[in-house]
Amino acid sequence: QSALTQPTSVSGSLGQSVTISCTGTTNDVGAYNSASWYQQHPGKAPKLLIYDISNRPSGISTRFSGSRSGNTASLTISGLQADDEADYYCSSRTSSGTLVFGGGAKLTVL
Amino acid sequence: QVQLQESGPGLVRPSETLSLTCAVSGGSITPYYWSWIRQPPGKGLEWLGHIYSSAINTYNPSLKSRITMSLDTSRNQISLRLTSVSAADTAVYYCARGTWGVTPWGLGTLVIVSS
Repeated sequence: QSALTQPTSVSGSLGQSVTISCTGTTNDVGAYNSASWYQQHPGKAPKLLIYDISNRPSGISTRFSGSRSGNTASLTISGLQADDEADYYCSSRTSSGTLVFGGGAKLTVL
Repeated sequence: QVQLQESGPGLVRPSETLSLTCAVSGGSITPYYWSWIRQPPGKGLEWLGHIYSSAINTYNPSLKSRITMSLDTSRNQISLRLTSVSAADTAVYYCARGTWGVTPWGLGTLVIVSS
């Protein structure tokens, strides 16, 4: 199974918004409402930000939002804060019943 | 609040078997799916598989011949077994609850494969 495609790095200024894309195929992102997003700070375990394309777990800020268009899922972070600087990973169910992750995107807050 | 803690040997010799456990506290391991995910140093996340019961599990096809997951309901823990390891299996190994959107995650445990 091929990894989902994410930009290697993205950046945005404090207070601005940034969108991270996650491109898959008709066999994963485009086929199931299961795209999820994780935030990982250095040396820490990933934390679930978004599940089922656009749902936030309890306790996750409304500054984080998810969407999907065709085979591409997107994570938008609004009102960027210094603590948002981290790695972000997307994932999706596949037609084989497995899970596939994106390669990860490093967010730099300017 | 459910908490997960992975444990196991930090060093495994090439060609041997890696065995890890994930102890779950604050809740029962049933009736949930549990996933194992790993992350090689400096690299991205790789899904290893998930398990619901001994009869209901799905593994990453790239590992299918080497990987086994199991549940121990009496000890409330999940186990991972990976045979014939090589340096490519060096990674931080995480357990997490769920299938497609997994949460919470354990802190992870680093396993180094080296002679």
